[in-house]
Amino acid sequence: NAGVMQNPRHLVRRRGQEARLRCSPMKGHSHVYWYRQLPEEGLKFMVYLQKENIIDESGMPKERFSAEFPKEGPSILRIQQVVRGDSAAYFCASSNLQGGNQPQHFGDGTRLSIL
Amino acid sequence: DQQVKQNSPSLSVQEGRISILNCDYTNSMFDYFLWYKKYPAEGPTFLISISSIKDKNEDGRFTVFLNKSAKHLSLHIVPSQPGDSAVYFCAASARGQNFVFGPGTRLSVLP
Repeated sequence: NAGVMQNPRHLVRRRGQEARLRCSPMKGHSHVYWYRQLPEEGLKFMVYLQKENIIDESGMPKERFSAEFPKEGPSILRIQQVVRGDSAAYFCASSNLQGGNQPQHFGDGTRLSIL
Repeated sequence: DQQVKQNSPSLSVQEGRISILNCDYTNSMFDYFLWYKKYPAEGPTFLISISSIKDKNEDGRFTVFLNKSAKHLSLHIVPSQPGDSAVYFCAASARGQNFVFGPGTRLSVLP
């Protein structure tokens, strides 16, 4: 499967725990984006990364949230000390920006539930 | 402030007829526009895009129209099929920057 892979598909955490969401981009894609979707809302941009670099984190909450895209391995979105309001679907997308505007291709998301 | 708006939360269309989904934007710097389709429990799937240098782009049953002066774009699906029932998101970006998504329109195609 050459598509964007996210795991886990579902993640349940208790308040105060840590959540780690993983994303492997499409083969050949070096740009990764994370979005959050709350119920009945659209996708909200969180962070844009290239290998080993955060390019734009303007959509990330200032505290508890962090993201990385190491040289080897998947991109990780990390949420520390989770709260009920973190319950949402988190989507990862990747693109290959060579040659101008390109669509982003999405994974199937991780549904995070906070008990 | 919503930069990308989809004012119809839902739309119902009879199978075989045309579906028209609308999207308005406020940022005149947007130069690339896309439509995505999303089924429940899946990620958004890219459908079609248009650059601001064009006013129309067609791909099979899907056509996107862009009216820059009105800051409006629309997605036409003809003929509509039951499998088209999904949530459709409009998205826009400026000079290769991050995409801004609208809140989505839920399309129901009735058999």
